[in-house]
Amino acid sequence: DGGITQSPKYLFRKEGQNVTLSCEQNLNHDAMYWYRQDPGQGLRLIYYSQIVNDFQKGDIAEGYSVSREKKESFPLTVTSAQKNPTAFYLCASSNKRGLTSYEQYFGPGTRLTVT
Amino acid sequence: AQSVTQLGSHVSVSEGALVLLRCNYSSSVPPYLFWYVQYPNQGLQLLLKYTSAATLVKGINGFEAEFKKSETSFHLTKPSAHMSDAAEYFCAVIMFSGGYNKLIFGAGTRLAVHP
Repeated sequence: DGGITQSPKYLFRKEGQNVTLSCEQNLNHDAMYWYRQDPGQGLRLIYYSQIVNDFQKGDIAEGYSVSREKKESFPLTVTSAQKNPTAFYLCASSNKRGLTSYEQYFGPGTRLTVT
Repeated sequence: AQSVTQLGSHVSVSEGALVLLRCNYSSSVPPYLFWYVQYPNQGLQLLLKYTSAATLVKGINGFEAEFKKSETSFHLTKPSAHMSDAAEYFCAVIMFSGGYNKLIFGAGTRLAVHP
């Protein structure tokens, strides 16, 4: 089955600790994205990458970091500098070719709680 | 710059009634528009998309949307609501910038369906 895997589903951390969220896709997509979702605010883009070893800051990149060493993987690290990290995090991917390049396919999400 | 406004953060309908979820967009170029659905604690699933072909777009689960350039709207409809349609719905527009593209989401509309 082709798709996007995010793990774990639920994650709990103490304040001041860095935490890394996993995102893997086997769709052979070039582009990958990380979003943060808070109640009543829709989705906000954190980082995106359209090719291996390249990534761009989104609208709310402060306190986050990413890497794109492999086409199928795009892990997100939530650092201790992120002031309000508790949220639902969604990973997505899309193909770069043709009109279908604009469709994004989403993973099931990781709910991070920091106390 | 591209943007999306969803009118009504909460919509409630009776089972069997018409569903109408409103989306207005702002775009300086011909837009590519999407509707996604999100069930609780899950990722987003693509319902339908407009990519400058037919103005009436049919999607999954009996939903459809009509692109109206004169009204800058892309409202989502379904003739008869089912209990299983209860979810959050997001309208999105593609934004192109510096060779990259990213989705701009509306704040979402939560649909409740009551017996």
